[in-house]
Amino acid sequence: EIVMTQSPATLSVSPGERATLSCRASQSISSNLAWYQQKPGQAPRLLIYGASTRATGIAARFSGGGSGTEFTLIISSLQSEDFAVYYCQQYNNWPYTFGQGTKLEIK
Amino acid sequence: QVQLQESGPGLVKPSETLSLTCTVSGGSINHYYWSWIRQPPGSGLEWIGYIYYSGSTNYNPSLKSRVTISIDTSKNQFSLRLSSVTAADTAVYYCARHFREGAPYFDYWGQGTLVTVSS
Repeated sequence: EIVMTQSPATLSVSPGERATLSCRASQSISSNLAWYQQKPGQAPRLLIYGASTRATGIAARFSGGGSGTEFTLIISSLQSEDFAVYYCQQYNNWPYTFGQGTKLEIK
Repeated sequence: QVQLQESGPGLVKPSETLSLTCTVSGGSINHYYWSWIRQPPGSGLEWIGYIYYSGSTNYNPSLKSRVTISIDTSKNQFSLRLSSVTAADTAVYYCARHFREGAPYFDYWGQGTLVTVSS
């Protein structure tokens, strides 16, 4: 099973600033990575797939990058609604697995 | 707009079977893959398994001996059964739709339903 490791566990950033979240795979997953945003009491929402393609309706301030084992999600200018938990998910090998999440909190 | 809704008991006794149904509205269940995912309180996400509208399935090896996912295309529903539950199976259970064939990430999710395993 591929283990997905996200860092940091918690990231404190001020509104308007840039946030960089990391996700590492225990083996190469090519670009078969998705990112989700989850707010309290809600289901996750798809942000990015194919490591860098924004899902429909996702703001341009969200961008994804990386391939192989190292991936990043960048939020260029944080808005109040962006403070949430973010998960990465690999879909290269079954069972598909998620990272443990990064909580993005207001500084 | 596609909507998914989980339904089933919120409390299950240890050693019994957890049964949930996901009803899909606003779109057809045909020609898509559908998954069950769970999230223990305060924890991350775990993929339980998925089913194609044709009925073919794939289960997480960690749960495979206890999981059955089925589909009823006439009702636009698919279901999860998890046997011999323990407290470790307490979680919010989500159903979700795969983006498309060959793209196992999720564009539509149910709101989730909390299932507690307790006597």
